[in-house]
Amino acid sequence: NAGVTQTPKFQVLKTGQSMTLQCAQDMNHNSMYWYRQDPGMGLRLIYYSASEGTTDKGEVPNGYNVSRLNKREFSLRLESAAPSQTSVYFCASSEEGRKVGFFGQGTRLTVV
Amino acid sequence: GNSVTQMEGPVTLSEEAFLTINCTYTATGYPSLFWYVQYPGEGLQLLLKATKADDKGSNKGFEATYRKETTSFHLEKGSVQVSDSAVYFCALKGFQKLVFGTGTRLLVSP
Repeated sequence: NAGVTQTPKFQVLKTGQSMTLQCAQDMNHNSMYWYRQDPGMGLRLIYYSASEGTTDKGEVPNGYNVSRLNKREFSLRLESAAPSQTSVYFCASSEEGRKVGFFGQGTRLTVV
Repeated sequence: GNSVTQMEGPVTLSEEAFLTINCTYTATGYPSLFWYVQYPGEGLQLLLKATKADDKGSNKGFEATYRKETTSFHLEKGSVQVSDSAVYFCALKGFQKLVFGTGTRLLVSP
């Protein structure tokens, strides 16, 4: 089982560039999440999707957009990257009944 | 809304010492509670969980008991090893969202 797969693992962007972080899960989970992890801040929820076709804002949604393409895939888009978006991004999924979150390996993004 | 508060780190211990990392929560309803561990350069891994009051989660020598009366889920281990050095996150899941604490870094020296 691959679990939760994120791509890319590393990325460097220039200020103002755009990019999409991809996430896919093969566990047939309904819920998917995007978090960012910054030193001293723990994990902060950017967006989540409780089911296919729905998305909701988390704590820090500004500067991001998401798409729940289908049940497997949940992408995060930065339309115009800023240095403040330098972070490690984690995608996660969970099965409502079991309430356990599975995490991807993370994407380390640097915006210069 | 739901929230999780963890003790600030880093926690520095010698090998074989007793570990406690405090975690308290605020939630409506009956959330499930989790501890995750993040080793250097890796993603988060589920360490243990408890889904209802008085449940005890355990794994790899770590334990935590879901205490509804004190809204706590403290992580304990009787004898830590150098390999336990990592960042530990307490988390809860209510209706929809996973909510994390800020993480506590544990450093274990030989």
